Amino acid sequence: EDQVTQSPEALRLQEGESSSLNCSYTVSGLRGLFWYRQDPGKGPEFLFTLYSAGEEKEKERLKATLTKKESFLHITAPKPEDSATYLCAVQASVQLTGNQFYFGTGTSLTVIP
Amino acid sequence: EAGVAQSPRYKIIEKRQSVAFWCNPISGHATLYWYQQILGQGPKLLIQFQNNGVVDDSQLPKDRFSAERLKGVDSTLKIQPAKLEDSAVYLCASSLPRAVQVPYGYTFGSGTRLTVV
Repeated sequence: EDQVTQSPEALRLQEGESSSLNCSYTVSGLRGLFWYRQDPGKGPEFLFTLYSAGEEKEKERLKATLTKKESFLHITAPKPEDSATYLCAVQASVQLTGNQFYFGTGTSLTVIP
Repeated sequence: EAGVAQSPRYKIIEKRQSVAFWCNPISGHATLYWYQQILGQGPKLLIQFQNNGVVDDSQLPKDRFSAERLKGVDSTLKIQPAKLEDSAVYLCASSLPRAVQVPYGYTFGSGTRLTVV
């Protein structure tokens, strides 16, 4: 069964304290792994897409990496405005449904000033 | 580029009542999705449309939920009758057709927060 698991569920960091969020997956025929940011009361906002093991993407204080079984979202020197829920989603190679996405339950990040 | 529009933003209804949500996707996005996000959980796909047609509705509780996409653009999701466990945020998303590379995944709307009391 295809699954996406994120850890930890919640993370509290001091401003400037770097850390990593994990997304592990068991999906047949991975087409892509996506990271989204979700602020309270809003829909998920796209951050990164990773397609193959070894790939890395960066945006400001965020860096996403991908292995064959998991992805990490590294946050370097976070600021309070980075506080949000970070969702991981994988796109499986589903012949009939094409763009079927499986979402994890997210990591709620709080950055304390 | 205009985003995915959803309305209403909030809705409170009593159990056994009916409710409808509306979604207008990004222009040119042939694929439209409705997701249910219960508090503390990730989004769960309810139904996927490709133009006017349903591609996947395997997780849609068809005894109470229905959805349609007229003319391949706007879509409505209806719940009738609502149950307490339907309390959630209903997200609409759109993307390019599945045959096209989707580097940005979906574009989501802000969602409709439904509370069933």
